[in-house]
Amino acid sequence: QQQVKQSPQSLIVQKGGISIINCAYENTAFDYFPWYQQFPGKGPALLIAIRPDVSEKKEGRFTISFNKSAKQFSLHIMDSQPGDSATYFCAASSMDSSYKLIFGSGTRLLVRP
Amino acid sequence: DAGVIQSPRHEVTEMGQEVTLRCKPISGHDYLFWYRQTMMRGLELLIYFNNNVPIDDSGMPEDRFSAKMPNASFSTLKIQPSEPRDSAVYFCASSMGGKGQPQHFGDGTRLSIL
Repeated sequence: QQQVKQSPQSLIVQKGGISIINCAYENTAFDYFPWYQQFPGKGPALLIAIRPDVSEKKEGRFTISFNKSAKQFSLHIMDSQPGDSATYFCAASSMDSSYKLIFGSGTRLLVRP
Repeated sequence: DAGVIQSPRHEVTEMGQEVTLRCKPISGHDYLFWYRQTMMRGLELLIYFNNNVPIDDSGMPEDRFSAKMPNASFSTLKIQPSEPRDSAVYFCASSMGGKGQPQHFGDGTRLSIL
């Protein structure tokens, strides 16, 4: 019940296309859903985060869509660029587990020029 | 501003040796986290501290692992004795209070146990 399932494992998109990464969870106590971006040799960096009181959050080319009833959330990268090539992790945490982030397994995104 | 600083960046040692990983969090941050990243298990939280006090160490795999935070600007993760299955990238992260605040990660220590 603590798991966050992420798909796909890898994704190849042409420059200018839309990248979509999906995550699903079981624990209804989860109330914070961040996405992290990781480049090779670097630590993960927070990209964007959402709470379940909104269904969508947009920051530049990055959008999180959240479906509370389906217990799913997704990251959309519009106008994907080669510089977006990285591994993306979704995560979740719940009020009762405080700061303990549960990470998805990661999606390796390659944006072809 | 300096981010989270980890040292060493790479460590190669033989099985049975003691390994000490070091972390300097961002100044002013009151939470510090240690994670381990492997292909098989992904990113796992090992332990986290609040104001230098360990709060949750349920992710520490076994007694061979220990972590300390003697002051607000320094933490160590120690493995003694080390085993090949401990090979992984270990990350330290810090955040400034409040639930849902972003965790800032260091660039990690790549540990190889031969």
